[in-house]
Amino acid sequence: NAGVTQTPKFQVLKTGQSMTLQCAQDMNHEYMSWYRQDPGMGLRLIHYSVGAGITDQGEVPNGYNVSRSTTEDFPLRLLSAAPSQTSVYFCASTRTGVDEQFFGPGTRLTVL
Amino acid sequence: AQSVTQLGSHVSVSEGALVLLRCNYSSSVPPYLFWYVQYPNQGLQLLLKYTSAATLVKGINGFEAEFKKSETSFHLTKPSAHMSDAAEYFCAVSPYNQGGKLIFGQGTELSVKP
Repeated sequence: NAGVTQTPKFQVLKTGQSMTLQCAQDMNHEYMSWYRQDPGMGLRLIHYSVGAGITDQGEVPNGYNVSRSTTEDFPLRLLSAAPSQTSVYFCASTRTGVDEQFFGPGTRLTVL
Repeated sequence: AQSVTQLGSHVSVSEGALVLLRCNYSSSVPPYLFWYVQYPNQGLQLLLKYTSAATLVKGINGFEAEFKKSETSFHLTKPSAHMSDAAEYFCAVSPYNQGGKLIFGQGTELSVKP
C-alpha cells in the first residue's frame, strides 16, 4: 500500500494564480481531510469529507474548494492564490472517526 | 468550539531525563484524544490515542499519556529521553460524533541535549 500520497511536493505560485493540490489514498478510507500547517499554529482543518460526494468546511475554508467524486481522491483547489496561503498542506485519511488519521508527506506552497 | 492547548512551544531536556509535554482540551463531552509526532520535513505519525477504553494509554517509542477528566488533560510522558525523540509533538482532539475532524494544539518542539 502506498498509503496517502500528495503531489506536488513543492510549488511556487504568483498571486492570483490557481492550482490544484492532489491527494489520493489506497486504503479504502471513507474520511479524508485537508490541513494547513503554519509555525506556532499547529495544523488547522481546511475541508473534510465523510465519503464520496460529501464534503464540509473546517476551521479555515476561505479561498479553497474541494470535491470528492471517488473514495480514493480528494483534491484541494486554490481559486486565486494569495500570499496568506503560503503554508505546508497535509492531506489525511481515516477509516472511521475514532481511528488514527494517516497523513501524506505534505505539499510546501509558496505564494509570491 | 472545542480547543486544545499545549503548554510550552519549546521544551528542552537532557538525554535520559523525563519528558513531560502538556496538553489540555476543552470539551463538555470526553472526546477522542491523540498525540502525533512530526520529524523534520516529514508528515505526522501517531504516537498514541485515547478512545475511552483506559485512562493510561501506552504508545510507540516508550511514550505514554494519561487521560484525566477532572483536569481536562492528556499529558504525554516518557521516562528517559533519547536523542532520537527530538521532534515536534502535537496533541489533537476529535470531537465526539464528528468523525474525520481533528483539532490540533499549537505544537511543542522537543529538544534533547546530550
